[in-house]
Amino acid sequence: AQSVTQPDIHITVSEGASLELRCNYSYGATPYLFWYVQSPGQGLQLLLKYFSGDTLVQGIKGFEAEFKRSQSSFNLRKPSVHWSDAAEYFCAVGAGGFKTIFGAGTRLFVKA
Amino acid sequence: AAGVIQSPRHLIKEKRETATLKCYPIPRHDTVYWYQQGPGQDPQFLISFYEKMQSDKGSIPDRFSAQQFSDYHSELNMSSLELGDSALYFCASSQMGQGTEGGYTFGSGTRLTVV
Repeated sequence: AQSVTQPDIHITVSEGASLELRCNYSYGATPYLFWYVQSPGQGLQLLLKYFSGDTLVQGIKGFEAEFKRSQSSFNLRKPSVHWSDAAEYFCAVGAGGFKTIFGAGTRLFVKA
Repeated sequence: AAGVIQSPRHLIKEKRETATLKCYPIPRHDTVYWYQQGPGQDPQFLISFYEKMQSDKGSIPDRFSAQQFSDYHSELNMSSLELGDSALYFCASSQMGQGTEGGYTFGSGTRLTVV
């Protein structure tokens, strides 16, 4: 069965520091992979997506993610975090049909 | 640019009451998806519609029903509300069922509180 695991419930980084959020997926075929960001009380916003091609994908707000098939991972990175990046981040996989499966989310805290 | 519009933003209902949530997709989007997000939880897929027909079904309780209308807006009807139905309900839309491939555009959600 398809699943998404985000091992870190929350992460705290200093403003200006680099960030990496982990995501592992389980999916039989080539997956459609996504990262979404959710600010408190808001809807989810698509940061980036991957299906094929270059395994390093660029997204909005300076985020990027790297697909590693051998590790079944799709980790999200940002070289320098801004205070406004504090939010919850969800990794997701297109599960076929019309549904998408989300990970449990990682809450990012940014300290000054 | 126009986004996905959900109404109401907030809703408070008592147990055993009914609630109707509305979703207006982005213009020219023909597919809508409903998700439920409990406190501190990840979004759980409820149901989706493509061209006014149910296209997929997830963990939607039998007490809930939904439909998509001719103008592509969708309504989620919830009856016999329970305390555990308190959650944020998101609607998303896409073209031609491509949300699972191209990603969704989500609305801001309806926060339902059952007391």
